[in-house]
Amino acid sequence: QKEVEQNSGPLSVPEGAIASLNCTYSDRGSQSFFWYRQYSGKSPELIMFIYSNGDKEDGRFTAQLNKASQYVSLLIRDSQPSDSATYLCAVSRDYKLSFGAGTTVTVRA
Amino acid sequence: DTGVSQNPRHKITKRGQNVTFRCDPISEHNRLYWYRQTLGQGPEFLTYFQNEAQLEKSRLLSDRFSAERPKGSFSTLEIQRTEQGDSAMYLCASSSPRTGLEVDTQYFGPGTRLTVL
Repeated sequence: QKEVEQNSGPLSVPEGAIASLNCTYSDRGSQSFFWYRQYSGKSPELIMFIYSNGDKEDGRFTAQLNKASQYVSLLIRDSQPSDSATYLCAVSRDYKLSFGAGTTVTVRA
Repeated sequence: DTGVSQNPRHKITKRGQNVTFRCDPISEHNRLYWYRQTLGQGPEFLTYFQNEAQLEKSRLLSDRFSAERPKGSFSTLEIQRTEQGDSAMYLCASSSPRTGLEVDTQYFGPGTRLTVL
């Protein structure tokens, strides 16, 4: 079992719709949870982090964490073509990040 | 704040040659990390420094790989006797517990893409 699992996609959504991304993790000792966006050929760019159960909103992005279910999600509201990228879920324990393989999102104009 | 920088951005080498990459972290960050990313996968942790001390090394880091961070500033990652399987994007990230954020957040550099022929 991989430490961090994501649906690989691709996830195709129309412009203006909500994109929903899911991530599960295996290590119950994981402390913090991150979403990074990675455009093709570029390095990961931090979108947001969450460390407490519940929801956290930042602009058009909402992260949700459920530690009992070992589940993290990211919602992208009002999706734009510029949101087309691979979204990486990462979990942290003792400073080291463990990443999922990423979910590729395509926003159709 | 100029962000994390890495050099070179691209490196093409022949199998068996040695290569060295450099990472300059964000200036106030005392933690520095190296990751490797292959196509279609997320980054994989290689090693981590706090100031000049190398605190953790992944089992992925064979004895052909060595990393240093003299004086706790920039870091170098050297790969000796490169193999075709070493072809990947090598990413550097830095963080600091003094930024005031609730969690230790890593910021990535642009990466060095290595191609071993």
